[in-house]
Amino acid sequence: EAGVVQSPRYKIIEKKQPVAFWCNPISGHNTLYWYLQNLGQGPELLIRYENEEAVDDSQLPKDRFSAERLKGVDSTLKIQPAELGDSAVYLCASSSNRGSGPNEQFFGPGTRLTVL
Amino acid sequence: QKEVEQNSGPLSVPEGAIASLNCTYSDRVSQSFFWYRQYSGKSPELIMSIYSNGDKEDGRFTAQLNKASQYVSLLIRDSQPSDSATYLCAVRGRGNYQLIWGAGTKLIIKP
Repeated sequence: EAGVVQSPRYKIIEKKQPVAFWCNPISGHNTLYWYLQNLGQGPELLIRYENEEAVDDSQLPKDRFSAERLKGVDSTLKIQPAELGDSAVYLCASSSNRGSGPNEQFFGPGTRLTVL
Repeated sequence: QKEVEQNSGPLSVPEGAIASLNCTYSDRVSQSFFWYRQYSGKSPELIMSIYSNGDKEDGRFTAQLNKASQYVSLLIRDSQPSDSATYLCAVRGRGNYQLIWGAGTKLIIKP
């Protein structure tokens, strides 16, 4: 079974430029998460999707960040314009939240963003 | 505010010994607990999940949960240098899919 796929793996941009990250979750997983992780810290949730609906985006800085999951499968996270403080690793995770199962989250390899 | 606390380490353990990692949480209604391993430059990898009080064993790993005292532990038996990584504890409350994450404990296994 293929895991969570993310691209690109690395991205270097200058501040004020736009950037986009793509994620394809594990097949059959209806819940998709975007996290941000800074060095030495745990992941911080940006947005959670149940199928195509964003059900938790309270931590997403909506002035510059946007996300979509139009068909309830893959997702794109965008930053426009990027700021120096956005440099971090952006992680995508997915889980199967149907029924009363453990709802374990599985992560993709992440995208390391550097804003110069 | 819901919190998950871990000692940042580094925790240094000789090869072959037992490594003990601890995590405390503040939300009493938390129901699901997860341990993730994260190698430097890699993403978190799920290694254990536990939901009931007591111990859960999987190979060299044992997760221990004590809801009354609000802590969860991870024991690694026969530690190997390949176990050197940061171990993240994550906690989920009842009816809530959001995970609350600790900052992780860096574990170093010395040959």
